[in-house]
Amino acid sequence: EAGVAQSPRYKIIEKRQSVAFWCNPISGHATLYWYQQILGQGPKLLIQFQNNGVVDDSQLPKDRFSAERLKGVDSTLKIQPAKLEDSAVYLCASSFTGGTYNEQFFGPGTRLTVL
Amino acid sequence: DQQVKQNSPSLSVQEGRISILNCDYTNSMFDYFLWYKKYPAEGPTFLISISSIKDKNEDGRFTVFLNKSAKHLSLHIVPSQPGDSAVYFCASVKAGTALIFGKGTTLSVSS
Repeated sequence: EAGVAQSPRYKIIEKRQSVAFWCNPISGHATLYWYQQILGQGPKLLIQFQNNGVVDDSQLPKDRFSAERLKGVDSTLKIQPAKLEDSAVYLCASSFTGGTYNEQFFGPGTRLTVL
Repeated sequence: DQQVKQNSPSLSVQEGRISILNCDYTNSMFDYFLWYKKYPAEGPTFLISISSIKDKNEDGRFTVFLNKSAKHLSLHIVPSQPGDSAVYFCASVKAGTALIFGKGTTLSVSS
């Protein structure tokens, strides 16, 4: 079974530029999560999708971050414009369903450096 | 406001000995507690979990203990192996929601 795929693996941009990350969850997984992991911290949820609907985006900085999962499969996370404090690893995870606790599987992450 | 706390940033253990990683939480409404393991340049991988109605769960060399009155859980690794060297994250979850992670503890197992 293929795992969660993410691209790119690394990205370096200047502040105020835009960047987008892509995630392909495990086949059949209805729930998709984007987490932000700043160096020295644990992952923090940015947004949770159930199929193509948003379940929780309370911690997403909506003035600069956006995410979509149009067909209920792949997802993209965008930052526009980026700030220095956005430097982090962006992790995508998926689970079979978000209704009860189900194991979340993580992708390898995208390491973003904002200069 | 940290709901899940791992107060030890690092732990060093000799091969063959026991590793004990600790985690405290503040929210009594969590349904499950989990441990994830993370190697550099990889995403976290699930290690072991425990339901809030249990006090112990064992899987091979890994055992998680839950003390609800103290709002504390611990992960025991016996015996520790060099391949166990990684960052260990404690996480908590309520049904239908995302994981809430601690800051992690870096375990180093020396041979």
